[in-house]
Amino acid sequence: DGGITQSPKYLFRKEGQNVTLSCEQNLNHDAMYWYRQDPGQGLRLIYYSQIVNDFQKGDIAEGYSVSREKKESFPLTVTSAQKNPTAFYLCASTLQPGLATGELFFGEGSRLTVL
Amino acid sequence: AQSVTQLDSQVPVFEEAPVELRCNYSSSVSVYLFWYVQYPNQGLQLLLKYLSGSTLVKGINGFEAEFNKSQTSFHLRKPSVHISDTAEYFCAVSGTGTASKLTFGTGTRLQVTL
Repeated sequence: DGGITQSPKYLFRKEGQNVTLSCEQNLNHDAMYWYRQDPGQGLRLIYYSQIVNDFQKGDIAEGYSVSREKKESFPLTVTSAQKNPTAFYLCASTLQPGLATGELFFGEGSRLTVL
Repeated sequence: AQSVTQLDSQVPVFEEAPVELRCNYSSSVSVYLFWYVQYPNQGLQLLLKYLSGSTLVKGINGFEAEFNKSQTSFHLRKPSVHISDTAEYFCAVSGTGTASKLTFGTGTRLQVTL
């Protein structure tokens, strides 16, 4: 079945450590996105990529980094510079670049807790 | 830029009762509108979307929404809810340009009880 796979589902990290969240899709979608979800705040866009080897900052990119070396993969690194990293992270994709008309397909999320 | 306001953070309702989840948006340009549903500890799934045409949009699981341009609203409705409809519902808006980004509301938690 086609879809988006995020791993790990749960992750614990000590302060000062970097952590990388994996996102893989087999939908052959061009565009991929990372969102952060906090209670009562909805979803906020961290980074997005419309094509391989290219990505743009979203609304809350500080303290995060990404890469897009393959069409299928869009990993997110939460660095020690992120002041409040505890959150639920969602990866999504769309068939074509541009969110205007397309449906976002989401993974099941990764819950990061900083101890 | 666009913004979305979901007026109710939680909506409790009894099974088989009707429900309306409210969504208002703000934008200086034409918009596309979406409703997504999120079940516990899962990603979001598209319920329905308004791009153009008929202002009454039907989606999955018996939900529908009506686009009201004069009131800048896109309320979600279902005539009879089930226990399985318990979830978080997000309204989202984007501009119609190809470079538009999707802006989400803060969500409404629908709690259906017997």
